[in-house]
Amino acid sequence: DAMVIQNPRYQVTQFGKPVTLSCSQTLNHNVMYWYQQKSSQAPKLLFHYYDKDFNNEADTPDNFQSRRPNTSFCFLDIRSPGLGDAAMYLCATSRDYGVGQFFGPGTRLTVL
Amino acid sequence: GENVEQHPSTLSVQEGDSAVIKCTYSDSASNYFPWYKQELGKRPQLIIDIRSNVGEKKDQRIAVTLNKTAKHFSLHITETQPEDSAVYFCAAKGRGASGGSYIPTFGRGTSLIVHP
Repeated sequence: DAMVIQNPRYQVTQFGKPVTLSCSQTLNHNVMYWYQQKSSQAPKLLFHYYDKDFNNEADTPDNFQSRRPNTSFCFLDIRSPGLGDAAMYLCATSRDYGVGQFFGPGTRLTVL
Repeated sequence: GENVEQHPSTLSVQEGDSAVIKCTYSDSASNYFPWYKQELGKRPQLIIDIRSNVGEKKDQRIAVTLNKTAKHFSLHITETQPEDSAVYFCAAKGRGASGGSYIPTFGRGTSLIVHP
């Protein structure tokens, strides 16, 4: 029944060591989003895809990249994680713009 | 881009009381306003939403009101229960920081604590 799946749920990496987080969906939604959420803060949008069209937020660091090889999967690549990148990373989907989003359970990233 | 302000940041009520969370938005073109509930350590979940052609929407103990003229919308929870304790986020669908597509902008969240 899981609709938005994120792997892994917990990721520990070393400072500067690249890491990839994955998200998959069974909803066949057009839009996939990646958010960064730090403790006691709102989710911060990093970027999103509408189908294959990539949309980057102006203040998303270049250290963060994304790939969407097909409708179901979306990846978040952090090229050189810093201590400040430790956070919960949430993937979300929506059928279109202007409708509710379905969130995955998140990946908790720890940077040592 | 859209700017969403949410108040209060923390709300503490007794079980059975009502709770009201308020949000204001800046982009008059915004037309979709969802509310999400995030329990501790869990994902945000959509609990109710409203579109700009409607002034009020209700779902059991939860209601949302929208004032387009004043550009504010509110979440009302009646007969609160301990399981309502969570962080609630409002959002407004406006332009993203890139100036491109319309995507939701989140408020900072309200931590609701319902005391038994």
